[in-house]
Amino acid sequence: QKEVEQDPGPLSVPEGAIVSLNCTYSNSAFQYFMWYRQYSRKGPELLMYTYSSGNKEDGRFTAQVDKSSKYISLFIRDSQPSDSATYLCAMSVNTGFQKLVFGTGTRLLVSP
Amino acid sequence: EAGVAQSPRYKIIEKRQSVAFWCNPISGHATLYWYQQILGQGPKLLIQFQNNGVVDDSQLPKDRFSAERLKGVDSTLKIQPAKLEDSAVYLCASSLVPGWQINYGYTFGSGTRLTVV
Repeated sequence: QKEVEQDPGPLSVPEGAIVSLNCTYSNSAFQYFMWYRQYSRKGPELLMYTYSSGNKEDGRFTAQVDKSSKYISLFIRDSQPSDSATYLCAMSVNTGFQKLVFGTGTRLLVSP
Repeated sequence: EAGVAQSPRYKIIEKRQSVAFWCNPISGHATLYWYQQILGQGPKLLIQFQNNGVVDDSQLPKDRFSAERLKGVDSTLKIQPAKLEDSAVYLCASSLVPGWQINYGYTFGSGTRLTVV
């Protein structure tokens, strides 16, 4: 079993739709939970991070963590064509420093 | 602030050939990482440097992969000999302090796309 499992996608939605992206994990030692966005032929860029269970909102994006279920989600409201990218969940574990473990990524396509 | 620079952007080689990738981190970032991202997968850490010393190379296939960071700034990653399964994007990242920390930057370059034929 992989430490981090992510819905594979690809996910295709019309502009304006609400998007839900999800990851599950098995390692209860994970401390920070992050979402990275990766545009084609670019490196991942940090979109949001959370530390505790609950919701964190930033504009059209909401990150949700449920530590009891080992489940994290990213919601995108009013999706735009510019949101078309691969979304990677990532989690950090303290191995003397915070080491990142990535999910496989979900490719999102928002059509006009 | 200039980003993490990587070159070349693309490389196509035949199996059993050798290849090298170069990374220039953000100025002042002491920690440098090399990741391998195979198509359809998330990035996997290959090696982490703190200044010019290796912190973690547990997932580096040392029989064919090598990396160095001379003078604690630029770094090169080499593959010799390459195999078909080495086809991937090789991402370099850098940060001010070891590991991911809020407000200490953990920035990725655009990567080098390697195709082994």
